[in-house]
Amino acid sequence: ELKVEQNPLFLSMQEGKNYTIYCNYSTTSDRLYWYRQDPGKSLESLFVLLSNGAVKQEGRLMASLDTKARLSTLHITAAVHDLSATYFCAVDPNNAGNMLTFGGGTRLMVKP
Amino acid sequence: DADVTQTPRNRITKTGKRIMLECSQTKGHDRMYWYRQDPGLGLRLIYYSFDVKDINKGEISDGYSVSRQAQAKFSLSLESAIPNQTALYFCATSDGRPTQYFGPGTRLTVL
Repeated sequence: ELKVEQNPLFLSMQEGKNYTIYCNYSTTSDRLYWYRQDPGKSLESLFVLLSNGAVKQEGRLMASLDTKARLSTLHITAAVHDLSATYFCAVDPNNAGNMLTFGGGTRLMVKP
Repeated sequence: DADVTQTPRNRITKTGKRIMLECSQTKGHDRMYWYRQDPGLGLRLIYYSFDVKDINKGEISDGYSVSRQAQAKFSLSLESAIPNQTALYFCATSDGRPTQYFGPGTRLTVL
């Protein structure tokens, strides 16, 4: 059974600080996705990582994938309040874009 | 207008009742999905469909059924709702490329 584990589950940080969210998964996969969910809202796609060593950046967020270590990271640089949300990683073990397995989410609170 | 819509947005029902949640999309995507989200947890796949004649079970299909009435419509049914089916339900679509696009969610409470 595929397991996807995120840590930390909850992160409270000050504006301007840096931090990394980790996503570990238990089976071989070359595809990993990061989504953002605001309270009471739906999921919004942030990054699609499709190969070992893939790195994507958007604003203050940068995601990377190490398929050998079965690890993806989401790095936050100089956090701002608008980044407060829950972040999910999802693994695609069939590399087919259908049977996504999600991690439990990391709830991020950025305090002014 | 939203590309992926879900109705109803909120529903409270009683144990044993039949419930249908509906999803419509205007994105022209072939693939549609139903997920369930429980508090503090990630999403779990219930069913997915690659076209009108293709329906597949996901991780947690027991107690659920689906109908793909048209390319743009995918419904999820709970034949006899039970309290542990209380959750947030999301519909999603894709065109075969990696990204899935999610609807706004339906909050279902089974008393």
